[in-house]
Amino acid sequence: QKEVEQNSGPLSVPEGAIASLNCTYSDRGSQSFFWYRQYSGKSPELIMFIYSNGDKEDGRFTAQLNRASQYISLLIRDSKLSDSATYLCVVRDSSYKLIFGSGTRLLVRP
Amino acid sequence: GAVVSQHPSWVICKSGTSVKIECRSLDFQATTMFWYRQFPKQSLMLMATSNEGSKATYEQGVEKDKFLINHASLTLSTLTVTSAHPEDSSFYICSARDGGTEGTEAFFGQGTRLTVV
Repeated sequence: QKEVEQNSGPLSVPEGAIASLNCTYSDRGSQSFFWYRQYSGKSPELIMFIYSNGDKEDGRFTAQLNRASQYISLLIRDSKLSDSATYLCVVRDSSYKLIFGSGTRLLVRP
Repeated sequence: GAVVSQHPSWVICKSGTSVKIECRSLDFQATTMFWYRQFPKQSLMLMATSNEGSKATYEQGVEKDKFLINHASLTLSTLTVTSAHPEDSSFYICSARDGGTEGTEAFFGQGTRLTVV
């Protein structure tokens, strides 16, 4: 059974702080890794994807992948109130199926 | 990014009737489309994978006779919930993949909220 594990949260951070979200996955054959943001009642919105070991930065977001540890993280700098949402860690396996974590709820407080 | 459109955004139907949901890739040809279901406070669960021109592959526990999937063209897949019951009420989401472009399966339609009364 291929699994993607996330802490359900909620993770509460003050506005302007750094939010750190973590995820582990079980299948070493996983190809690609994604972070999605999902607001209540809406479809997931792609924030970042990462294929290679190391860091990938895009604006306020940095994704980190460590294949040896089977670990992925997402850092959100300068957190905004609008960042409050559920963040889904998603892993694509070798058959192109997406395997979803259960999501971490982030609350950015004023 | 690749654009995937779903229709309708929401639908209410009576128990026992059938409902069709459309998923279209607007700016690319989708060799594969994926259908997901999301219940409240849960993550997305893959229901089935459909390849253009062939039968869909269903995940374990998903009734293929109840959830009919048709992928007749490279830009359109449909999911029909047959003889819907209140327990089928859920958020249904599709994604589409362009076989020639890395990562396009990562883009989702806006979802369809189905309520069966």
